[in-house]
Amino acid sequence: DADVTQTPRNRITKTGKRIMLECSQTKGHDRMYWYRQDPGLGLQLIYYSFDVKDINKGEISDGYSVSRQAQAKFSLSLESAIPNQTALYFCATSDGASGEHTQYFGPGTRLTVL
Amino acid sequence: QKEVEQDPGPLSVPEGAIVSLNCTYSNSAFQYFMWYRQYSRKGPELLMYTYSSGNKEDGRFTAQVDKSSKYISLFIRDSQPSDSATYLCAMSVWNQFYFGTGTSLTVIP
Repeated sequence: DADVTQTPRNRITKTGKRIMLECSQTKGHDRMYWYRQDPGLGLQLIYYSFDVKDINKGEISDGYSVSRQAQAKFSLSLESAIPNQTALYFCATSDGASGEHTQYFGPGTRLTVL
Repeated sequence: QKEVEQDPGPLSVPEGAIVSLNCTYSNSAFQYFMWYRQYSRKGPELLMYTYSSGNKEDGRFTAQVDKSSKYISLFIRDSQPSDSATYLCAMSVWNQFYFGTGTSLTVIP
């Protein structure tokens, strides 16, 4: 079983709809991240959380919100989706306690906003 | 100026060739350096990471960090068609991560 899972894997929605993307991990990591990936732009950080009570904005947080429901769960919401939020979204985790400064990614959610 | 610069390619090589992928960076505070491999429609997969300057080898892959030049490289020996993917470099400091845009590699049988 994958250590970092994302649901749904693909989603098509319409402008103005509220969308939630979910991420779960079994790695036992304390830190979780949401990124979006666009061709030619690489990975852009949306939000990150170092523990359940800690939520931080990344470089492109406008139009997005997050919820850290438990150490293993981190969800991303688009309150009112717009077409330029069409992208590939990745959740990632890292282990802050170990000192190992690496991230582990989920399989991604392909979101299309019409 | 971006924190991390990476040539997007695309790079196309024959099977068996040695591949060199490179990134430059501007922040001298970066401490950890990583390479990820991303197959089409998949999430990035950690290949290697190194701390500070020097070389690290893992099978056909060698990661090299030159902090004085702010330059990192990934070498792939005896490249295989299964190595065809996008390779992302990444760097971190204080648990903040910065990614290159990725280099697309195709290994032709």
